[in-house]
Amino acid sequence: EPEVTQTPSHQVTQMGQEVILRCVPISNHLYFYWYRQILGQKVEFLVSFYNNEISEKSEIFDDQFSVERPDGSNFTLKIRSTKLEDSAMYFCASSEETGRLYEQYFGPGTRLTVT
Amino acid sequence: DQQVKQNSPSLSVQEGRISILNCDYTNSMFDYFLWYKKYPAEGPTFLISISSIKDKNEDGRFTVFLNKSAKHLSLHIVPSQPGDSAVYFCAASRGGATNKLIFGTGTLLAVQP
Repeated sequence: EPEVTQTPSHQVTQMGQEVILRCVPISNHLYFYWYRQILGQKVEFLVSFYNNEISEKSEIFDDQFSVERPDGSNFTLKIRSTKLEDSAMYFCASSEETGRLYEQYFGPGTRLTVT
Repeated sequence: DQQVKQNSPSLSVQEGRISILNCDYTNSMFDYFLWYKKYPAEGPTFLISISSIKDKNEDGRFTVFLNKSAKHLSLHIVPSQPGDSAVYFCAASRGGATNKLIFGTGTLLAVQP
């Protein structure tokens, strides 16, 4: 069964450093998303991406964040200068363009620890 | 942002019995609702969804009921199995120009053998 994959599973970085989280969405999906879950809190939407551009972003997704689809398979989230409060699980998700548009399929997540 | 609420942080049921997980929402613009299951250290796994034009959707042991007038949905699992033990999240989407999902806080279901 097709699935979303994410690498790395755990990333430890120092405050102020740049990190890139990687995702490979399901191959025939055209919508891509990033969500995050701070420990003990809700899963929160960060950004959605379609047709090589951001279609929506949340207030969390400020200038320190960026997304890219550098090739036909990868979808990345970059945090330019990490802060302690960026420590969270980051989930990538994807969905089909039509029909079951809202059924988003999630990857296993990357645990980001900022020290 | 409390648009989607799951008021029961945990639920314990016996194997073979029915599990009922509840979710309330405040935004009447939501038109699509989903349930996800999550194990520790894994991503949310899609279980079942329902459009706001329906009041029931069934998939095997899982049934979701939607009461739009009460802004309430529930997930029924019958019969419950120990492997169903996980955190269950409800999520909602406004549709239209946005696909983002707004999640509840989750309910930890424990199915006792």
